[in-house]
Amino acid sequence: GQSLEQPSEVTAVEGAIVQINCTYQTSGFYGLSWYQQHDGGAPTFLSYNALDGLEETGRFSSFLSRSDSYGYLLLQELQMKDSASYFCAVRVYQGGKLIFGQGTELSVKP
Amino acid sequence: DTAVSQTPKYLVTQMGNDKSIKCEQNLGHDTMYWYKQDSKKFLKIMFSYNNKELIINETVPNRFSPKSPDKAHLNLHINSLELGDSAVYFCASSRTHQNTEAFFGQGTRLTVV
Repeated sequence: GQSLEQPSEVTAVEGAIVQINCTYQTSGFYGLSWYQQHDGGAPTFLSYNALDGLEETGRFSSFLSRSDSYGYLLLQELQMKDSASYFCAVRVYQGGKLIFGQGTELSVKP
Repeated sequence: DTAVSQTPKYLVTQMGNDKSIKCEQNLGHDTMYWYKQDSKKFLKIMFSYNNKELIINETVPNRFSPKSPDKAHLNLHINSLELGDSAVYFCASSRTHQNTEAFFGQGTRLTVV
């Protein structure tokens, strides 16, 4: 089967750093994506890792270890507007479909 | 201009009815998708079309029928609606079916009563 695991919720304070982990078990792995979704909104793309290592985009970084079937999203200098759900998603060979994790609800407190 | 737009945004209907959700993308993408997000926020792919051809058809009741009249449009028709169909349905598109970044519409919140 295909499965992804990520924590259901994380709480942090403004200005802090938070890491959201994702472990996956899939066949035909292409890469790991991260999406952000605010309440009532649409998922929006944050990052993608196809190869091992760290990708940095502004305050957000994403890491992948293919050998460990593990990745994480790192959010730095947290702001209140970062309060949202964060989904890891694996792209698999079958038609390039995205398989999403259950999402991590991040609450940023003042 | 909205990149991926879907209508309606909200849909409340009775069990047994038939309803459609429309989706259009103006990004020039080849691939379009329908995803279902349940009350626990779990996002699951339902269908994918690449250049109007169906390439992904997950285990979805055949009451759900997608139609792609051209590569910019992907509609979802649902027959004989059931209470369990209540969810948010998201349309999305990507440049190709191998592309990593999907652009999502704002979602259609379907409530079956």
